[in-house]
Amino acid sequence: KAGVTQTPRYLIKTRGQQVTLSCSPISGHRSVSWYQQTPGQGLQFLFEYFSETQRNKGNFPGRFSGRQFSNSRSEMNVSTLELGDSALYLCASSHWTDQETQYFGPGTRLLVL
Amino acid sequence: ELKVEQNPLFLSMQEGKNYTIYCNYSTTSDRLYWYRQDPGKSLESLFVLLSNGAVKQEGRLMASLDTKARLSTLHITAAVHDLSATYFCAPNLITQGGSEKLVFGKGTKLTVNP
Repeated sequence: KAGVTQTPRYLIKTRGQQVTLSCSPISGHRSVSWYQQTPGQGLQFLFEYFSETQRNKGNFPGRFSGRQFSNSRSEMNVSTLELGDSALYLCASSHWTDQETQYFGPGTRLLVL
Repeated sequence: ELKVEQNPLFLSMQEGKNYTIYCNYSTTSDRLYWYRQDPGKSLESLFVLLSNGAVKQEGRLMASLDTKARLSTLHITAAVHDLSATYFCAPNLITQGGSEKLVFGKGTKLTVNP
């Protein structure tokens, strides 16, 4: 089956701008999670969506937001970008109640200048 | 708060040798995942361990879970260069609403030398 897709793959922004990242889960998966990976903090959970509802949120400021559409596709938005937001943003989809793993997309690499 | 400790963080091995990566976590977890990450790439799922005593093997990698000790191990048998990568363990936390959040260790960077 087709994997998790993320767009764009690379982004360069400047401080103060905002950015929207997109994630399309594996067909049939209704849960989408977002993670941020940086060299300093490692992999950190941002939020999880299921059936268009945010069910869980990590310890990130309100500048980080997301949403999920009826087709399970998800977007995350970061407003007022800071240099520290430079990271690899990974999206994962799962149908974990079927004892499957969480499948990760290729990620979006964001560089804030 | 669930804390995850992996060790070692860096591992340099010779081809053909065996070694074990350890993953300790601080609170009860429903399941535990192992992922592999190559430089500049995303996370590739290796194993999901669902219950105490679970053991899974794929090629030269074998993972086990001891939920009572809150310990998982990833054993590498007769290492080959292709296994060079960073390996992450991630137990999960489940909210009352059924949301699953993975809590990742810092990763073990494995280098297999000829």
